[in-house]
Amino acid sequence: AQTVTQSQPEMSVQEAETVTLSCTYDTSESDYYLFWYKQPPSRQMILVIRQEAYKQQNATENRFSVNFQKAAKSFSLKISDSQLGDAAMYFCAYRARAGGTSYGKLTFGQGTILTVHP
Amino acid sequence: GAGVSQTPSNKVTEKGKYVELRCDPISGHTALYWYRQSLGQGPEFLIYFQGTGAADDSGLPNDRFFAVRPEGSVSTLKIQRTERGDSAVYLCASSSGTGRKYNEQFFGPGTRLTVL
Repeated sequence: AQTVTQSQPEMSVQEAETVTLSCTYDTSESDYYLFWYKQPPSRQMILVIRQEAYKQQNATENRFSVNFQKAAKSFSLKISDSQLGDAAMYFCAYRARAGGTSYGKLTFGQGTILTVHP
Repeated sequence: GAGVSQTPSNKVTEKGKYVELRCDPISGHTALYWYRQSLGQGPEFLIYFQGTGAADDSGLPNDRFFAVRPEGSVSTLKIQRTERGDSAVYLCASSSGTGRKYNEQFFGPGTRLTVL
């Protein structure tokens, strides 16, 4: 079974600064996706960024980038130039890419609450 | 509508009662997922449908939980004899398919269920 672990229950950052959220995962599969989702108080889960495991290049989306270390099973999210609107709960998630009947489901970590100070 | 919708947004019930939670996926999306999110935790998978059939129901915690999607669109999650431990936010997501090709799951706003 796959597991996703986020060891930082809470993080804080000053507006315009950079923050990194950590995530580790465990899987025996070689082909999978990793994601970071943002969940504001409205409860709406929003996809921030995704990484395909077969790609060595780290994904980037504007101010958001990841550090994907496949051998170490580590997947951190870096938020640059933090904005007040970035404040939310952030979840790391895993999805198998192919094979079996359950490859569509997402496995989530416990979440990290990010506070942005003005 | 443009996104996934869920009704009701909040549901309060008494222990032992029966509840139904509804999910309207994005039009044309063939895959539909249910997740449960307890307070302060990440969502946990319950069940997913490909079309009308449940392709994977391994996350349903026990036989009090059941979900249907009779016409391959709207889905209803049904909980019998509710217990206080069932209190959580129930999230629904849909995607245009599953498989090797990447298909983003779009989430609804969830239903907060409170069992008194």
